[in-house]
Amino acid sequence: KQEVTQIPAALSVPEGENLVLNCSFTDSAIYNLQWFRQDPGKGLTSLLLIQSSQREQTSGRLNASLDKSSGRSTLYIAASQPGDSATYLCAVRPGWGSARQLTFGSGTQLTVLP
Amino acid sequence: NAGVTQTPKFQVLKTGQSMTLQCAQDMNHNSMYWYRQDPGMGLRLIYYSASEGTTDKGEVPNGYNVSRLNKREFSLRLESAAPSQTSVYFCASTDSFSSYEQYFGPGTRLTVT
Repeated sequence: KQEVTQIPAALSVPEGENLVLNCSFTDSAIYNLQWFRQDPGKGLTSLLLIQSSQREQTSGRLNASLDKSSGRSTLYIAASQPGDSATYLCAVRPGWGSARQLTFGSGTQLTVLP
Repeated sequence: NAGVTQTPKFQVLKTGQSMTLQCAQDMNHNSMYWYRQDPGMGLRLIYYSASEGTTDKGEVPNGYNVSRLNKREFSLRLESAAPSQTSVYFCASTDSFSSYEQYFGPGTRLTVT
């Protein structure tokens, strides 16, 4: 059974810092990996999607990498801002199954201090 | 472009009452999902529909039923609500013929007293 772990559970940084959020998974037979952002009381917003054949994806100040063989992904946030404060979740989709249900990590709660 | 929409946003039920949570997507996605999110438990899959006309149980299906009404709509029904079903419910959809990128609705916050 796939297990997804995100460490740390919470992170607090001063504004302007570059930071890395970590995601690890136990089964490397994945179809893709997706990073989400969740603001308090809101739904999940897709940030980046990395297909299993890709090594990284970039969107603005965000860069996500994928190392399938080691079962790891990182989300790099450059020049963090208070508006980046949210919970970040990673989720992996298996390479098999009719609906290929996502397995989610428990998230990293990020606070960016002004 | 509305994406995934859910109604209602909030609901309070008494134990034993029934209700249906509605979900619709306008992205022509094949697959749709219902999750619940509880503090300390993360997101758990209740039911999913890989394509129109099919539904399957997820991790925590007990106490729920679903209907894939058409390609756009996927509803979740609580037949006899229990306090343990107090949670935030999210609907999601995916284009299973393309990237499999998943999109979520804004959620329904349900309280059962």
